[in-house]
Amino acid sequence: KQEVTQIPAALSVPEGENLVLNCSFTDSAIYNLQWFRQDPGKGLTSLLLIQSSQREQTSGRLNASLDKSSGRSTLYIAASQPGDSATYLCADILTGGGNKLTFGTGTQLKVEL
Amino acid sequence: DAGVIQSPRHEVTEMGQEVTLRCKPISGHDYLFWYRQTMMRGLELLIYFNNNVPIDDSGMPEDRFSAKMPNASFSTLKIQPSEPRDSAVYFCASSSLGLAAGDEQFFGPGTRLTVL
Repeated sequence: KQEVTQIPAALSVPEGENLVLNCSFTDSAIYNLQWFRQDPGKGLTSLLLIQSSQREQTSGRLNASLDKSSGRSTLYIAASQPGDSATYLCADILTGGGNKLTFGTGTQLKVEL
Repeated sequence: DAGVIQSPRHEVTEMGQEVTLRCKPISGHDYLFWYRQTMMRGLELLIYFNNNVPIDDSGMPEDRFSAKMPNASFSTLKIQPSEPRDSAVYFCASSSLGLAAGDEQFFGPGTRLTVL
């Protein structure tokens, strides 16, 4: 059974700082991996999707990388802003896993002024 | 498009009562997913449909839970009888081509269920 872990569980940084969120998974037979953002009381918003054949994806200040051999993905946020404060979740689908996403435990990020 | 619509947004009920959660997916999306989120277990897939047909319900906790999709624009998740441990936020999500095709999911705002 795939297990997805995110460390740290919570993170507080000053505005403007670059930061990295970590995601690790036990089964490397990944089809794709996604990063989501969840704001309090709201649903999830997809940020980036990385196919198994890709190493990274970028969108604005966000960059996500995938290293299947080490069972890791990272989400890099450049020049963080208070508006980035949210919970970030990674989730993956295993090869042959159909449409079943396995979600990580989440990292709660707070960017302070 | 209004996005995925869920109702009610909040539900408080007493143990033993029947609870029905509703979802309207984005028009034209062929896949619909029901998730449950709790502090202890995180976000878990309960069931998903493709073209109104249930494909995988292995995440449904027990027989008290049932889900239907009578047409392409409406789905329900029913809990009968409800128990305090069912208290959670229930999310509905939809996708056009499905996750296996590399397509993204769009989530609704969720229904926060409290069973007293």
